[in-house]
Amino acid sequence: RKEVEQDPGPFNVPEGATVAFNCTYSNSASQSFFWYRQDCRKEPKLLMSVYSSGNEDGRFTAQLNRASQYISLLIRDSKLSDSATYLCVVNLIISGGSYIPTFGRGTSLIVHP
Amino acid sequence: DTGVSQNPRHKITKRGQNVTFRCDPISEHNRLYWYRQTLGQGPEFLTYFQNEAQLEKSRLLSDRFSAERPKGSFSTLEIQRTEQGDSAMYLCASSLGGLAYEQYFGPGTRLTVT
Repeated sequence: RKEVEQDPGPFNVPEGATVAFNCTYSNSASQSFFWYRQDCRKEPKLLMSVYSSGNEDGRFTAQLNRASQYISLLIRDSKLSDSATYLCVVNLIISGGSYIPTFGRGTSLIVHP
Repeated sequence: DTGVSQNPRHKITKRGQNVTFRCDPISEHNRLYWYRQTLGQGPEFLTYFQNEAQLEKSRLLSDRFSAERPKGSFSTLEIQRTEQGDSAMYLCASSLGGLAYEQYFGPGTRLTVT
């Protein structure tokens, strides 16, 4: 099992749709969770951090489920400009006790008119 | 521009040659990370520094890979005896503090090994 798993998609949705992505992680001791957005041939950029109590930023809502070891991202009222790859990042504990930032492979979202 | 910068942006080299990439982080950031990204995959962690100290290097892909950050400012990533499988985008990121802090990425160096 991969340490951090995401469905690569693509998720193909019409403008205005609501879409949700999940990201599962393997180690229950993981800390600090994030969603990044990566446009084609560009560097990743932070979309939002994921807090234990869940958090919302405009049309975006992120949640953490520690019991089931996954984080989620919900996008409401999708815009054409939301088309991108969404990467989850989990700080995983590795042997020796260090934490390292571990990215999923990303989920591709395509929003069409 | 006060963002993370990387040089060169593109590098084409022949198999067996050594290459070195440079990363200049955001000036007040004490953490610096190196990643490799291949098509269809997320960034793969390689190593990171806190100031000049390299805190984790177990994920460097082989002993051909090494990184330095001698004065706690810019960093270099060197690949010796390049192989075709080293072809990828090499990304650098910096952050203000520990792993709970947002990372800011540079535009990357695209390496092609022929």
